[in-house]
Amino acid sequence: EAGVAQSPRYKIIEKRQSVAFWCNPISGHATLYWYQQILGQGPKLLIQFQNNGVVDDSQLPKDRFSAERLKGVDSTLKIQPAKLEDSAVYLCASSSRGPGNTIYFGEGSWLTVV
Amino acid sequence: KQEVTQIPAALSVPEGENLVLNCSFTDSAIYNLQWFRQDPGKGLTSLLLIQSSQREQTSGRLNASLDKSSGRSTLYIAASQPGDSATYLCAPLTGANNLFFGTGTRLTVIP
Repeated sequence: EAGVAQSPRYKIIEKRQSVAFWCNPISGHATLYWYQQILGQGPKLLIQFQNNGVVDDSQLPKDRFSAERLKGVDSTLKIQPAKLEDSAVYLCASSSRGPGNTIYFGEGSWLTVV
Repeated sequence: KQEVTQIPAALSVPEGENLVLNCSFTDSAIYNLQWFRQDPGKGLTSLLLIQSSQREQTSGRLNASLDKSSGRSTLYIAASQPGDSATYLCAPLTGANNLFFGTGTRLTVIP
């Protein structure tokens, strides 16, 4: 079974530029998550989708971050304009519908803002 | 809001030792708790998932326990190996079906 796929794996941009990350969840997984992990910290939830609807985006900095999950499968996370403090790894995860299921993570997209 | 604390923050042990990693959380209303492993430059690998109704879960040399009422979980690693060196994260799953993470325990197993 293929895992959660993310791209690009690494990205370096200058502050005020924009960047987009793509995620393809495990086939059949209705729930998709984007987490931000700053170096030395645990991952923090940015946004959670159930199919193509948003369940929780309370910690998404909406002035610069946006995310969508068209057709309830792939998702993109965009940052515009980027700030230095956005340097982090962005982890996509997915799980089957329903509470209590195992959540599977991708390898992450590593962003450095200079 | 769920707060997760992991102790110790870092641990260095000689190969072959048994060790215990601790995790505490403030909100006991959880569905389950997952332990993850993270290698440098990598994503998260799920090691064990304990349902809220369970007390223990085992996989190979790993054993995780859960005391939901006191907000505690431990990960026991038997006969540690250099390949176990990584950061270990615990994450309780809340009713909103998302995970709250601690800052992890960075484990180094010395050959």
